Amino acid sequence: AQSVAQPEDQVNVAEGNPLTVKCTYSVSGNPYLFWYVQYPNRGLQFLLKYITGDNLVKGSYGFEAEFNKSQTSFHLKKPSALVSDSALYFCAVRDINTGRRALTFGSGTRLQVQP
Amino acid sequence: SQTIHQWPATLVQPVGSPLSLECTVEGTSNPNLYWYRQAAGRGLQLLFYSVGIGQISSEVPQNLSASRPQDRQFILSSKKLLLSDSGFYLCAWSVWTSGDTDTQYFGPGTRLTVL
Repeated sequence: AQSVAQPEDQVNVAEGNPLTVKCTYSVSGNPYLFWYVQYPNRGLQFLLKYITGDNLVKGSYGFEAEFNKSQTSFHLKKPSALVSDSALYFCAVRDINTGRRALTFGSGTRLQVQP
Repeated sequence: SQTIHQWPATLVQPVGSPLSLECTVEGTSNPNLYWYRQAAGRGLQLLFYSVGIGQISSEVPQNLSASRPQDRQFILSSKKLLLSDSGFYLCAWSVWTSGDTDTQYFGPGTRLTVL
């Protein structure tokens, strides 16, 4: 079975500071990993994904994520946070070896960027 | 470009009433389609997914059902709503292509309140 853990319910950071939102995963095979962002009362927006290759993945709005196979982690990062980055962030995984198309999502981390 | 629509955007229904939520995708053919429910603004629970017309896989047994009468139309239904059916319902689509990750893209969601 595949699973995702986002250990922090909320992350607070000051505008201009770097931010990290943590994600760890568990799959039996090889993972495809995703980050999505959700603004209030809106659907999820795709940010970035890891398939294979370079462990550092760059995505939308200046976000990036680092895949670490030994630590089974896929943390989301941004060098300089903006107030407009305040939202709910979801990590998701798909085990490519199972053939199951659906994603398993983490419980979400609320990012609050203070001006 | 592809777009995904959901309606209605909000819905308030009494307990025991029927439900029909609709999702349509434009700009692509033979998409994989998904229904998720998000309770209390947090984690997403996969309800159903479909890889083609008339092909529905149920992830969680409950009083909801799904149908796919047309290639780009996905409907979520219930004969009798329960209080626990309240939540934010999200439809998503993806297209499998060789070498792609089957990335899912989400609609704007329907907020359902059962009273």
